[in-house]
Amino acid sequence: SQQGEEDPQALSIQEGENATMNCSYKTSINNLQWYRQNSGRGLVHLILIRSNEREKHSGRLRVTLDTSKKSSSLLITASRAADTASYFCATGGGMDSSYKLIFGSGTRLLVRP
Amino acid sequence: EAQVTQNPRYLITVTGKKLTVTCSQNMNHEYMSWYRQDPGLGLRQIYYSMNVEVTDKGDVPEGYKVSRKEKRNFPLILESPSPNQTSLYFCASTIGTSGNNEQFFGPGTRLTVL
Repeated sequence: SQQGEEDPQALSIQEGENATMNCSYKTSINNLQWYRQNSGRGLVHLILIRSNEREKHSGRLRVTLDTSKKSSSLLITASRAADTASYFCATGGGMDSSYKLIFGSGTRLLVRP
Repeated sequence: EAQVTQNPRYLITVTGKKLTVTCSQNMNHEYMSWYRQDPGLGLRQIYYSMNVEVTDKGDVPEGYKVSRKEKRNFPLILESPSPNQTSLYFCASTIGTSGNNEQFFGPGTRLTVL
């Protein structure tokens, strides 16, 4: 089952610009996480936001969560070429995911130098 | 260094030849999981384990087996691989038994079944 759906599927921006990715999900959740994957490599955890939180920051990353709309966004500010990667949201603790994370299909971000 | 290791990293095999992909973590995590990643489909969970001797099916368990005899190891077994199991496989682990916390991923195993 696929819970999180990212939007857009692909995003191309210039270095220095901000990148925003969105994630929508279907059922109630305990938390929502964002991961990054460089081409063909393992996923790396970026940030976790709990269902009772609305916003969270980590360095150049800002994540928001709107449980009423069942959506989240990941903002990367002042992007760098090294931010080029795929970004996945994953939901945990929901009705369909009480013992696991369910991942979306990801957003491919290209940051042009 | 805290890490999840997988072996082999790359494997080309033929239909029907049994294979095992090993996964090991050094963080004393209770929960371990196997995923496969296919283009356009994201990550799909194959099997997971909440602790030693406790395993359960994920979303796509057909054609796979797992075991959890020790806390640190969680091997993935393909008894009779088929071409539709050609994929990129990831092992992951996390603290606790719920599987909802931050997951640590291995580097991946790229499997090709001819």
